[in-house]
Amino acid sequence: DAGVIQSPRHEVTEMGQEVTLRCKPISGHDYLFWYRQTMMRGLELLIYFNNNVPIDDSGMPEDRFSAKMPNASFSTLKIQPSEPRDSAVYFCASSAASGRGKGKETQYFGPGTRLLVL
Amino acid sequence: GQQLNQSPQSMFIQEGEDVSMNCTSSSIFNTWLWYKQDPGEGPVLLIALYKAGELTSNGRLTAQFGITRKDSFLNISASIPSDVGIYFCAGPPGDSNYQLIWGAGTKLIIKP
Repeated sequence: DAGVIQSPRHEVTEMGQEVTLRCKPISGHDYLFWYRQTMMRGLELLIYFNNNVPIDDSGMPEDRFSAKMPNASFSTLKIQPSEPRDSAVYFCASSAASGRGKGKETQYFGPGTRLLVL
Repeated sequence: GQQLNQSPQSMFIQEGEDVSMNCTSSSIFNTWLWYKQDPGEGPVLLIALYKAGELTSNGRLTAQFGITRKDSFLNISASIPSDVGIYFCAGPPGDSNYQLIWGAGTKLIIKP
C-alpha cells in the first residue's frame, strides 16, 4: 500500500502569493494531521481532522492559514497571502486512531513539502 | 501543558560507537514512540512502547519505557553511517490516542 503522498515536494514562491499544499493519506486511515517543521520551533502540529472533520486548529498560526479535507483521500493546506516567515517543511501524517489495539496512535508521515517564500 | 524533553540535542560520534539518548516528561505517558527522520524525509516510527518497564528491540536499536512512566531511553549499538538523522520521542497526552506530543529531537552526526 502506498504511504502518505504529498505534493509538491518543493515550492518556491514570492511573498503575497497563494500557496496550496496537498496530501493524500493512507487508505483507511481516519485521522489526518498537518505539521510544520522549522529549525527554530521544531515539529509543530497545525491542525488535525477526524473523518474529514477539523477537530483542533489551535496550532494554525493565523487567519492566512486554512485547511480543508473534502473527502477521506484528500486534504489541502492553503496559505494566503504567504510571507517569508512561512518558509518551512510542511508534513502531512495519517493514522488509524479509531482502530482497536496497539498501534492506533502511530502516525505515518509523508515526505513533506519544502516551502520557501521569498 | 505536557512537554517532552529530549537529550542530548545533538551527538557527534564515531562509527561503531554505541549511542544513548533519552526523553523525559513531568507527567505520565501511557505510550512512548521513537521516530527517526532522515534528511529530506518525514519521521518514520522505529519502536513503540506500551508498558512501564518494557524493553523492546528493533535490530541494533533498543528502547525502554521507564518504570515511572515519565521517561524513555533509546540505545543504538555499533552505529553505522545510515544512523545519521534526527531521533524524536513522542507520546499521546492523557487519554488521547490520536494527538501526539513531540520532543525537540536528538540529532545524530557520525564523524568521518
